[in-house]
Amino acid sequence: KAGVTQTPRYLIKTRGQQVTLSCSPISGHRSVSWYQQTPGQGLQFLFEYFSETQRNKGNFPGRFSGRQFSNSRSEMNVSTLELGDSALYLCASSHRDRAYEQYFGPGTRLTVT
Amino acid sequence: QKEVEQNSGPLSVPEGAIASLNCTYSDRGSQSFFWYRQYSGKSPELIMFIYSNGDKEDGRFTAQLNKASQYVSLLIRDSQPSDSATYLCAVYGGNQFYFGTGTSLTVIP
Repeated sequence: KAGVTQTPRYLIKTRGQQVTLSCSPISGHRSVSWYQQTPGQGLQFLFEYFSETQRNKGNFPGRFSGRQFSNSRSEMNVSTLELGDSALYLCASSHRDRAYEQYFGPGTRLTVT
Repeated sequence: QKEVEQNSGPLSVPEGAIASLNCTYSDRGSQSFFWYRQYSGKSPELIMFIYSNGDKEDGRFTAQLNKASQYVSLLIRDSQPSDSATYLCAVYGGNQFYFGTGTSLTVIP
């Protein structure tokens, strides 16, 4: 069974631009969560989607948004990029019956210059 | 704001020794506790989870939970160089996971 995939793996953007990241969960997993990982703050929860609905949201500004499609693929968008948005963005998927077992993708490394 | 605290390390142990990783959490109502391993340049991988007070063993790994002290630990017996990684403690509460910043472990051959 294929793992969680994320595209692109690396991205360089300029302040003020916007970016869209994509995540394809493991087949059969309908829950997708997004995290931001930085050396100083560690892993911080952005939001979780289940069956195309945002189920939970972390403490991030409205510039961070996401969505999930009917095939469970998810995208997150960051508008008006700031230097502080430079981070590793990870998505994780889980099965409905084993919600606590999250499987992480390889991440997208975003650099904002 | 729920907090999960870990000693960032680095923690160095000789091969074959027991590595002890510790984590404290602020939300007394937290019910579920997890340990992830993250190799450099890789994504986190779930290695253990524990819900009840006491110990849970899985191979060379033992998770220990003390809810009264709001403390969870991970013991790695017979440490191997391949165990060298950052270990993340996570707590589930309020419909989301809260992660510590991780402890870097180096096992010296």
